[in-house]
Amino acid sequence: GAVVSQHPSRVICKSGTSVKIECRSLDFQATTMFWYRQFPKQSLMLMATSNEGSKATYEQGVEKDKFLINHASLTLSTLTVTSAHPEDSSFYICSARPGARGYNSPLHFGNGTRLTVT
Amino acid sequence: KQEVTQIPAALSVPEGENLVLNCSFTDSAIYNLQWFRQDPGKGLTSLLLIQSSQREQTSGRLNASLDKSSGRSTLYIAASQPGDSATYLCAVIRSNYKLTFGKGTLLTVNP
Repeated sequence: GAVVSQHPSRVICKSGTSVKIECRSLDFQATTMFWYRQFPKQSLMLMATSNEGSKATYEQGVEKDKFLINHASLTLSTLTVTSAHPEDSSFYICSARPGARGYNSPLHFGNGTRLTVT
Repeated sequence: KQEVTQIPAALSVPEGENLVLNCSFTDSAIYNLQWFRQDPGKGLTSLLLIQSSQREQTSGRLNASLDKSSGRSTLYIAASQPGDSATYLCAVIRSNYKLTFGKGTLLTVNP
């Protein structure tokens, strides 16, 4: 089955630093990847859609200058949390969809990244 | 705006019991609905995908139903096992493959 790898699984950083999270599709090409965020006891919320070779599209209320997304290849998307603050502490998770399939194929998720900003 | 609600928020059952998890959504204009399992601190594992034209899907001990017109889906787990303990998430798939998730049901199966 399709596998999505996310790295790192856990990161602790100091306030004001930047953190990069990688999302890779291991056995398929993903023209589109999605970044979600999950706060404790809350739903996963879509942050942005990452499009290979073009700019990401952000959901309302998500700061594009704070959450930089790069989708430079068909198998890799990165999310950089710039100048992180304690309120950015959350569980970040990516998903990817095999490029050639439609809505009838399930989306696959990475294992997530637990970010803690001190 | 699409809203997804899952009831109950938490459920504790003895091993071997059959159980039903509920999911409701406010906008019936969905493409598909997907059920996931999430273990503590982990990512999501896809369990079942129900296409909007389907009424149910089965995989092993799991059966998911979809009533699109009433905005409801259920996940039935037969003969529950301690290894089934996890949070179960329901998500509806909107246009452009975007998912709207519920908050999940935390299931505990006691040996």
